[in-house]
Amino acid sequence: SAVISQKPSRDICQRGTSLTIQCQVDSQVTMMFWYRQQPGQSLTLIATANQGSEATYESGFVIDKFPISRPNLTFSTLTVSNMSPEDSSIYLCSAGDNYGYTFGSGTRLTVV
Amino acid sequence: GQQLNQSPQSMFIQEGEDVSMNCTSSSIFNTWLWYKQDPGEGPVLLIALYKAGELTSNGRLTAQFGTTRKDSFLNISASIPSDVGIYFCAGYNAGNNRKLIWGLGTSLAVNP
Repeated sequence: SAVISQKPSRDICQRGTSLTIQCQVDSQVTMMFWYRQQPGQSLTLIATANQGSEATYESGFVIDKFPISRPNLTFSTLTVSNMSPEDSSIYLCSAGDNYGYTFGSGTRLTVV
Repeated sequence: GQQLNQSPQSMFIQEGEDVSMNCTSSSIFNTWLWYKQDPGEGPVLLIALYKAGELTSNGRLTAQFGTTRKDSFLNISASIPSDVGIYFCAGYNAGNNRKLIWGLGTSLAVNP
C-alpha cells in the first residue's frame, strides 16, 4: 500500500497566521483526503482533495478557511488560515488505493 | 455527520486475554476497515473486508464482515502490551465517493 510523508509533524503558531501542511505519497493515488482529529477522538473529514479541480468540502468546512491544493496524483497541501486556538488539533492526510486507505503520521497544531 | 456505533468505548484487560470489539451501522457498506492508532501516529490499517460474511485474519487479529453488511467485529487473541492503542472501524461504499464513515474508537489498555 501507499506510503505517506506528512510535514510538519507539529507546529506552534500565533493566532491570525496561516500554516500549510504538505502530504507526499510515494505512488500515484486516485483519492486523497484531509482529516482533523482531536486527541483521543475519532476522525472528522475536512475535504476530499481532487486532482485538477476544487476540493470537495464537508459540512462545516469552507475553502476560505481550509484551502487545499492537489497539483498531481502524489501531492496535496492543506492550509489552515487565519488560525485561532479552536484550530488546535491533529490534521491527517489520507490516500486511497486498491488496498484501502493509508494515513500520514499527522500534524499536531497548537495555536496560541 | 454519520458515524458508526462502535463498542466498547474502552477496555482494560490482562495480558494474554482475548479481546472483542464490534461496529454497527444503520446503513449497509460494501467495505469494512479496521485501524489501530498509536499516540502521535496516524491510523494504521489492520484488516480490510470486502465481502459480506468474509472472515479474515492477520496474525492474532481476526475480523468479520457481517452478513447483513451493517456490522463487523474485530477479535484480538492472546493480547500483548503492544496491542495498547485506539482501534477504529470504518466503512465505505464505492458509490459515495469512497468516503470513509468512522466509528468513535475503542481504547484498549493491557495490563502486563
